[in-house]
Amino acid sequence: DSGVTQTPKHLITATGQRVTLRCSPRSGDLSVYWYQQSLDQGLQFLIQYYNGEERAKGNILERFSAQQFPDLHSELNLSSLELGDSALYFCASRGQGNTEAFFGQGTRLTVV
Amino acid sequence: GQNIDQPTEMTATEGAIVQINCTYQTSGFNGLFWYQQHAGEAPTFLSYNVLDGLEEKGRFSSFLSRSKGYSYLLLKELQMKDSASYLCAVPSGGYNKLIFGAGTRLAVHP
Repeated sequence: DSGVTQTPKHLITATGQRVTLRCSPRSGDLSVYWYQQSLDQGLQFLIQYYNGEERAKGNILERFSAQQFPDLHSELNLSSLELGDSALYFCASRGQGNTEAFFGQGTRLTVV
Repeated sequence: GQNIDQPTEMTATEGAIVQINCTYQTSGFNGLFWYQQHAGEAPTFLSYNVLDGLEEKGRFSSFLSRSKGYSYLLLKELQMKDSASYLCAVPSGGYNKLIFGAGTRLAVHP
């Protein structure tokens, strides 16, 4: 158990809909990262938060947005969903300094 | 920016040794991470190198050459459960966001 919790584990929704993925980082970790992993693909960096502030953006679509709340949990919002958004979405958290990232179990999103 | 290259796939025999290479280009080096990921599961941390040389951790070792922009992960005494993807990652940018290579899918066969 990495200590990072993601909910829900699975999500099936229709095209055009909007969903929210949730992540609780390890206790004490201020940094949260979101990644997208399509079938048989690598981890694509989406966005990074640190203590409630956005710190870095990757290849995140305009239809996607995220935020980190005062209690440090984070949410990734995906809207106007398309079939190609079907993927595993991982959240990871890191402590201070250049430490390793710990990953949640992911949310498997299927858009039908 | 950053660029990370790894072979896409490798195969090896149970009990053997395999070396998975990773080359990287990054502006400002802050170490290199290796992760293991079984299909459909979360990546798990294997090793971190920030200085040149070999770091040994049981059956797994990781090597870094900063001047060559090169690292490898060495897996000894391969077991079937080592069949997984191995991801190389480097921190990048002012806030050290962790950027991953596409990963190397390793298949271990009897």
